[in-house]
Amino acid sequence: AQSVSQHNHHVILSEAASLELGCNYSYGGTVNLFWYVQYPGQHLQLLLKYFSGDPLVKGIKGFEAEFIKSKFSFNLRKPSVQWSDTAEYFCAVSPFTGGGNKLTFGTGTQLKVEL
Amino acid sequence: DTGVSQDPRHKITKRGQNVTFRCDPISEHNRLYWYRQTLGQGPEFLTYFQNEAQLEKSRLLSDRFSAERPKGSFSTLEIQRTEQGDSAMYLCASSLPGPKSYEQYFGPGTRLTVT
Repeated sequence: AQSVSQHNHHVILSEAASLELGCNYSYGGTVNLFWYVQYPGQHLQLLLKYFSGDPLVKGIKGFEAEFIKSKFSFNLRKPSVQWSDTAEYFCAVSPFTGGGNKLTFGTGTQLKVEL
Repeated sequence: DTGVSQDPRHKITKRGQNVTFRCDPISEHNRLYWYRQTLGQGPEFLTYFQNEAQLEKSRLLSDRFSAERPKGSFSTLEIQRTEQGDSAMYLCASSLPGPKSYEQYFGPGTRLTVT
C-alpha cells in the first residue's frame, strides 16, 4: 500500500522568506507525484506534478519541487513567499501505471505567511 | 464556471438518516473520483468511475455507502444510516481520458455533519 508523509504540519514564515516543505512517500513501484494547494475558502488545486524526465519541476506561482528517487522524496520549494501563499499544501502520489490514478495524499501542511 | 460542481455544499443530518450527494464533473471528463477528508487529514480515496462503470472501491467504503454514475455524467454518493464518524468533507474530482488522466480537478466538496 502507498503512503505519504508530510513532516511539517504547521509552518509560519515572514514574507520574502524561503520555503521548503517536506514530502516522503512509500510505494513498491513507480509513482506520479503531485502537490496540491488549498487556499482559504477554495477547493483543491493542482500546483505541480512529476511524471518522468527532469526531476526538478516547476509549477504555478513560482513553486518548484524536486524528485529525489533515492530518498523517496518530493519536496516543495519557493525562494520567496508572499502573503497570498497562505494555504494548506498537500503532497500526493498515484501509481505510474494501473490503479486508476487514484491519489494517496499526505496529511497536509498549513502554511501561514505573515506580513 | 465549467469546473467540478457539488451539491449540496453543506449537509447537517441526524444519526441514522440517509443522505445523498451529487457531483457534476467537467463535461468532457470520463473519470470521476470520490474522496473523503476529515479534520487534520488529507483526502482519502473512496471510489472511482470510468464512464458509468465503477472500477474500484476502497475498504473505507462500507456497505452503507453506495455510489452511482448512471449515464456516465453526474454521480451520486449515498450514505445510509449515517453515523457520527461519517462527518467529513466529501470531495469529488474528475479527469480527462488518455495522457491527461493523471490530472484530477476537484470540486468544492460537500461538508457533512452528523449530529
